Amino acid sequence: EDKVVQSPLSLVVHEGDTVTLNCSYEVTNFRSLLWYKQEKKAPTFLFMLTSSGIEKKSGRLSSILDKKELFSILNITATQTGDSAVYLCAARKTSYDKVIFGPGTSLSVIP
Amino acid sequence: DTEVTQTPKHLVMGMTNKKSLKCEQHMGHRAMYWYKQKAKKPPELMFVYSYEKLSINESVPSRFSPECPNSSLLNLHLHALQPEDSALYLCASSHRDNEETQYFGPGTRLLVL
Repeated sequence: EDKVVQSPLSLVVHEGDTVTLNCSYEVTNFRSLLWYKQEKKAPTFLFMLTSSGIEKKSGRLSSILDKKELFSILNITATQTGDSAVYLCAARKTSYDKVIFGPGTSLSVIP
Repeated sequence: DTEVTQTPKHLVMGMTNKKSLKCEQHMGHRAMYWYKQKAKKPPELMFVYSYEKLSINESVPSRFSPECPNSSLLNLHLHALQPEDSALYLCASSHRDNEETQYFGPGTRLLVL
């Protein structure tokens, strides 16, 4: 059965800290790995990773995929209170546009 | 236009009511999705439409009936729902062939009494 696992499930840090969120997957016909940030409503897209070892960056956020070890990490440097959210990792399959979400990591950044 | 819109934002319905959720996108995306999300849980896929045809039904009860009238619109018809169907219903879309990113709408928060 396909599954996506995230760790930790929740995390509390102080502003300015750097955090690393983990995502591992066991998915047949894997195509790409997606990261989303969800605050109160719908998930907002952060990154899509298709190739191993290529880091994607957007401001203080970066992410990388390891297709051999079947995991991805999301790094957030110099965290701010606005980074408080649930971060969802999702694996996309080649067949039928199916996307499987992990349980999410709830990040709280305190001043 | 890089937006997926959903209406209504909130919906309260009784177990005997019939209602519909609507989703619209004008990004030329050919895949559209319905997800159900309960509190503190990740989104769960319900249906996928690809080129206006239903390609995935994740064993969703028949009281949920999707419809894709054209490439920009996706509906979810609701009938005889149960209180446990109360959740946030999210619509998403993506280019099917070249761009795999899913863009989510703001969701409809549904309460079934």
